[in-house]
Amino acid sequence: DAKTTQPPSMDCAEGRAANLPCNHSTISGNEYVYWYRQIHSQGPQYIIHGLKNNETNEMASLIITEDRKSSTLILPHATLRDTAVYYCIVSSSNTGKLIFGQGTTLQVKP
Amino acid sequence: DAGVIQSPRHEVTEMGQEVTLRCKPISGHNSLFWYRQTMMRGLELLIYFNNNVPIDDSGMPEDRFSAKMPNASFSTLKIQPSEPRDSAVYFCASTLTLPSETQYFGPGTRLLVL
Repeated sequence: DAKTTQPPSMDCAEGRAANLPCNHSTISGNEYVYWYRQIHSQGPQYIIHGLKNNETNEMASLIITEDRKSSTLILPHATLRDTAVYYCIVSSSNTGKLIFGQGTTLQVKP
Repeated sequence: DAGVIQSPRHEVTEMGQEVTLRCKPISGHNSLFWYRQTMMRGLELLIYFNNNVPIDDSGMPEDRFSAKMPNASFSTLKIQPSEPRDSAVYFCASTLTLPSETQYFGPGTRLLVL
């Protein structure tokens, strides 16, 4: 599975959009981009995933560049409850295996 | 649905003792994953099952660790004998089938080995 690179930490003002970047330059054709988050002391929670098209659900939007070497998770109106570690994971659709990196700690501030 | 259930939520034991962690996946889910999380190593996949059969146990750290899934609604992760370096939060996750987009995680078991 391809490796991902994320900034270790980011801040965001409450009510503003949070844009979390992820680099996955070695991604291959059958690998999806997944985003999970982990709020302190809880298990990780699925947010969104995509292959090549941009995706949106009730939690977030996922923008994948045309060459698929990077992506951005967008939380459109961040709240204090969005403070968490956000993991970008690249995984083959064949295995269903998720390999978590260190993630980005997002701190939403009032 | 109750979600993934793990027990116990907290466990404190002494080095050398046997530890058994339990997981009940979401009803109807056919795949189950065990993870371990520490500050040093982050979240690591230990083993996963599909239809009660272990698919990949390459993440199991050593022979002291074993996992079983005797039926679709129950799995155990056993450490025997336990060591202080096994102290971690152990998560169980389940998904409908493989491959799948969404893994649903339990609340975790916080293990401290003294």
